Amino acid sequence: DIQMTQSPSTLSASVGDRVTMTCRASQSITTWLAWYQQKPGKAPNLLIFKASTLEIGVPSRFSGSGSGTEFTLTITSLQPDDFATYYCQQYYNYSYTFGQGTKLEIK
Amino acid sequence: EVQLVESGGALVQPGGSLRLSCAASGFSFSDYWMTWVRQAPGKGLEWVANINQDGDEKYSVDSVKGRFTISRDNAKNSLYLQMNSLRVEDTAVYYCARDAYKSWYDHWGQGTLVTVSS
Repeated sequence: DIQMTQSPSTLSASVGDRVTMTCRASQSITTWLAWYQQKPGKAPNLLIFKASTLEIGVPSRFSGSGSGTEFTLTITSLQPDDFATYYCQQYYNYSYTFGQGTKLEIK
Repeated sequence: EVQLVESGGALVQPGGSLRLSCAASGFSFSDYWMTWVRQAPGKGLEWVANINQDGDEKYSVDSVKGRFTISRDNAKNSLYLQMNSLRVEDTAVYYCARDAYKSWYDHWGQGTLVTVSS
């Protein structure tokens, strides 16, 4: 199975900051990667697919990049609504594994 | 508006069975792959199983193979997860999600809680 490792596990930042979090795959997944945002008690929400394509309705301050085994999610100018947990997910093969998550918290 | 509404979660004893349902509306259900994803309390997300549009292609995570069965009824716009031989480690919120062809999940239900405990 393909393992997905996210770092850091927790990220502390302030409103207005630019933050970047990383997702690494145990083998190449080309660009078959999605990012989700999840708030406590809620279902995940799709942000980005194909590593860098923004889902309709997602603010442009979110962006994704990367290919192969290393990927990043960047949020520019953090808003109060952005403090949540972020998960990456590979869909290169049918095991569809998720990373363990990066919790973005208010500094 | 796309809506996915799960139901069927409950408290069940180890070794027991449960059937989850997901009612879909607001899109052409028969045109999409569908998926179940679960999240144990305080933990991350885990893909459980998915199914193609016709119901004749299915995949599942190794830990539920032989115990869980995904199915669908396109006439009823519904997705199901039959869970047998439940274990304590199956305790989780179970989400159904619309699957953009064995890839990302663009719409999710609110989840239904399954608790396996004696």
